[in-house]
Amino acid sequence: RKEVEQDPGPFNVPEGATVAFNCTYSNSASQSFFWYRQDCRKEPKLLMSVYSSGNEDGRFTAQLNRASQYISLLIRDSKLSDSATYLCVVSATSGTYKYIFGTGTRLKVLA
Amino acid sequence: DAGITQSPRHKVTETGTPVTLRCHQTENHRYMYWYRQDPGHGLRLIHYSYGVKDTDKGEVSDGYSVSRSKTEDFLLTLESATSSQTSVYFCAIRDRNTEAFFGQGTRLTVV
Repeated sequence: RKEVEQDPGPFNVPEGATVAFNCTYSNSASQSFFWYRQDCRKEPKLLMSVYSSGNEDGRFTAQLNRASQYISLLIRDSKLSDSATYLCVVSATSGTYKYIFGTGTRLKVLA
Repeated sequence: DAGITQSPRHKVTETGTPVTLRCHQTENHRYMYWYRQDPGHGLRLIHYSYGVKDTDKGEVSDGYSVSRSKTEDFLLTLESATSSQTSVYFCAIRDRNTEAFFGQGTRLTVV
């Protein structure tokens, strides 16, 4: 079983829709969580960190469920420019400090 | 943007030849990572470093070695390149408990 798993999609949604992605992780020692966005043939760029209490940045909301070991990303009012691949990252904050990615979920927002 | 550069950006090499990719940072971050990205697999961790001369294996380390003789440089070496190592390679840097920042990637083709 992979340490971090995501539904690869693609998710095809109309403009204005709300879409949610989940990411599950297997290492209960994981302490840091992030969502990245990657555009085609580009490097991943940080979208947002995920805090225990959940956090929001404009149209984006990230949540953490430690009991079930998953993180989620909600995008409201989707824009064409949101089309990209969204990658979750899980990291321990002690020991190895490995930084492990999920396989990514591809989103396509349609006009 | 974080001070991280990868070189070369593109390389074509022949099967069986050694190849070294360089990751250089100006941020004085402790942690450095090498990933490869292939369709359907997301970013997979090859090796990482948690300090000068301190490195460890990731999930796909076979056929790769790394060295970190100073804080700013993390080298990835393919001892004898194979076609299965054709990929896009990303380097990332990270300070403790923070997010990672990525270089622009190196496209390696082994023919």
